[in-house]
Amino acid sequence: GAVVSQHPSRVICKSGTSVKIECRSLDFQATTMFWYRQFPKQSLMLMATSNEGSKATYEQGVEKDKFLINHASLTLSTLTVTSAHPEDSSFYICSARDRREGLDTQYFGPGTRLTVL
Amino acid sequence: EDQVTQSPEALRLQEGESSSLNCSYTVSGLRGLFWYRQDPGKGPEFLFTLYSAGEEKEKERLKATLTKKESFLHITAPKPEDSATYLCAVHSGTYKYIFGTGTRLKVLA
Repeated sequence: GAVVSQHPSRVICKSGTSVKIECRSLDFQATTMFWYRQFPKQSLMLMATSNEGSKATYEQGVEKDKFLINHASLTLSTLTVTSAHPEDSSFYICSARDRREGLDTQYFGPGTRLTVL
Repeated sequence: EDQVTQSPEALRLQEGESSSLNCSYTVSGLRGLFWYRQDPGKGPEFLFTLYSAGEEKEKERLKATLTKKESFLHITAPKPEDSATYLCAVHSGTYKYIFGTGTRLKVLA
């Protein structure tokens, strides 16, 4: 399998500050990465699709000015939660799409727990 | 509308008690069906990809099968360490990935 890392794994911040989360594919290049949000005991909710070198595609109801996504290289995508508020507290998970060897699979990072005070 | 439904929502098994988890799907053209395992507070861990009806894949105590309407994840003689949430996802013909809500499995020693 492929390895995807996320940093930080846990962050606590004050309301009104911005938080950046990094997602890296460590052993493959990913032209497409995805950002998800997960609430306790619920499934993954896709927030946006990040494509290298182009603008991200956001799902309905996700504020693009609130959740800034940058996919500047084939191994790195970042999610910035701007002016975070307590309701943004959640578990954020990224995934990278691996299309090597004719396969097409998403590999997930370990997640980032965001707590906004 | 593309849809993925997993059942049961939760399952409790005794150690060694084999069972199956179900993932039913309705999609406009299946490009792939995926099974993941998720432990609390962690990202999903990839288990299997199935691409066509009749395909089967195995890994240790797990075996995934696929038909044109559903997929099963069979767990043979489970151990407590198999306790986790198992997620099913499909990649549809519209290039969307759709996740089910998962089955929470608890294996008792």
